[in-house]
Amino acid sequence: SQKIEQNSEALNIQEGKTATLTCNYTNYSPAYLQWYRQDPGRGPVFLLLIRENEKEKRKERLKVTFDTTLKQSLFHITASQPADSATYLCALGDNNDMRFGAGTRLTVKP
Amino acid sequence: EPEVTQTPSHQVTQMGQEVILRCVPISNHLYFYWYRQILGQKVEFLVSFYNNEISEKSEIFDDQFSVERPDGSNFTLKIRSTKLEDSAMYFCASSGRISGNTIYFGEGSWLTVV
Repeated sequence: SQKIEQNSEALNIQEGKTATLTCNYTNYSPAYLQWYRQDPGRGPVFLLLIRENEKEKRKERLKVTFDTTLKQSLFHITASQPADSATYLCALGDNNDMRFGAGTRLTVKP
Repeated sequence: EPEVTQTPSHQVTQMGQEVILRCVPISNHLYFYWYRQILGQKVEFLVSFYNNEISEKSEIFDDQFSVERPDGSNFTLKIRSTKLEDSAMYFCASSGRISGNTIYFGEGSWLTVV
């Protein structure tokens, strides 16, 4: 069966450091992968999309990599800030549905 | 910035009652979705909708659930006879394309079944 695994339920880092979150998947051949941010009690908010033929994508302090051989995406937040504290979700889908991982709860401590 | 709006923000209902959750997707979007998130758990896909019909549905979306686009702006999720385990946050979402495009989520409708 298809699985999306974000293998850290929680990640705590110090302000200013780089946060690295991992998303692994099995039994998928996604055309693209997305990362979302979710704050408590709120809906997910889109951050970045990376396509299968792209190795890396950047947006401000965010960077996403996509390795279709390893079936893995890494999500980096550089120069992290307490305001980056949230749950980050990876999502896969290439047809009419998009499925989410369970998320990694990031806490950035001042 | 355009947004997806959902009503009600919170509803408490008795087990066995019917519930309708309403959504107004972003106006020029063509693809609509419902997701749910049980407290403390992951966001789960329920159904996608395009061209006035269901495109895809998950194993969660059984005969108790139905979706409708009754007019040009609203998109509804109906749960016919609610169960305790239907208690969750229900998110509506929409996108302009089916694949490789941002999906915009509403703020959710929190359903509590008692």
